[in-house]
Amino acid sequence: NAGVTQTPKFQVLKTGQSMTLQCAQDMNHNSMYWYRQDPGMGLRLIYYSASEGTTDKGEVPNGYNVSRLNKREFSLRLESAAPSQTSVYFCASRRTSGSSYNEQFFGPGTRLTVL
Amino acid sequence: SQQGEEDPQALSIQEGENATMNCSYKTSINNLQWYRQNSGRGLVHLILIRSNEREKHSGRLRVTLDTSKKSSSLLITASRAADTASYFCATGDNYGQNFVFGPGTRLSVLP
Repeated sequence: NAGVTQTPKFQVLKTGQSMTLQCAQDMNHNSMYWYRQDPGMGLRLIYYSASEGTTDKGEVPNGYNVSRLNKREFSLRLESAAPSQTSVYFCASRRTSGSSYNEQFFGPGTRLTVL
Repeated sequence: SQQGEEDPQALSIQEGENATMNCSYKTSINNLQWYRQNSGRGLVHLILIRSNEREKHSGRLRVTLDTSKKSSSLLITASRAADTASYFCATGDNYGQNFVFGPGTRLSVLP
């Protein structure tokens, strides 16, 4: 199993450009998450999807949109990138199956720089 | 605002010593989890403790939870150079969905 995969690994954008970060998991998990991590800080939740077809805002959703394409894939879109969105973005997934006690599995991250 | 806050921000110890990291949080939780992040990598889950548990062990890891003080500690015994990483606590809400991570403790284990 590949676990959680993210593409691309690195990206440089100019202010105002748009892009989509892709995330896929092959563990048949119901829940998926997008976080951003700024230097010296912990992760902040952008959006999450508790199950296929549902998405909810996290702590820092402004400037982002998400799509839960199917059970495996959860994408994050920046419509008009800003320098403040320079960060490392992590996708994670979690098996729920009625339990709230399961851990999250993380992808390797996407390092995004907005000039 | 971040719910979990780790303390200390950075810790440097010699190989073989024990390392203790603390985490405080603000609101009621369903569970608290500890994760490790090696430089430039994603987070890896270490251990989860439920809100009705007080202590949990996993190998060289020992986690305690004091819900009255809204705090948790992670103890790594007999540390190794490979334990050098950042350690984060994360709290899950009552639905187990909205996770909040602290800023982390950077642990350096010197050989």
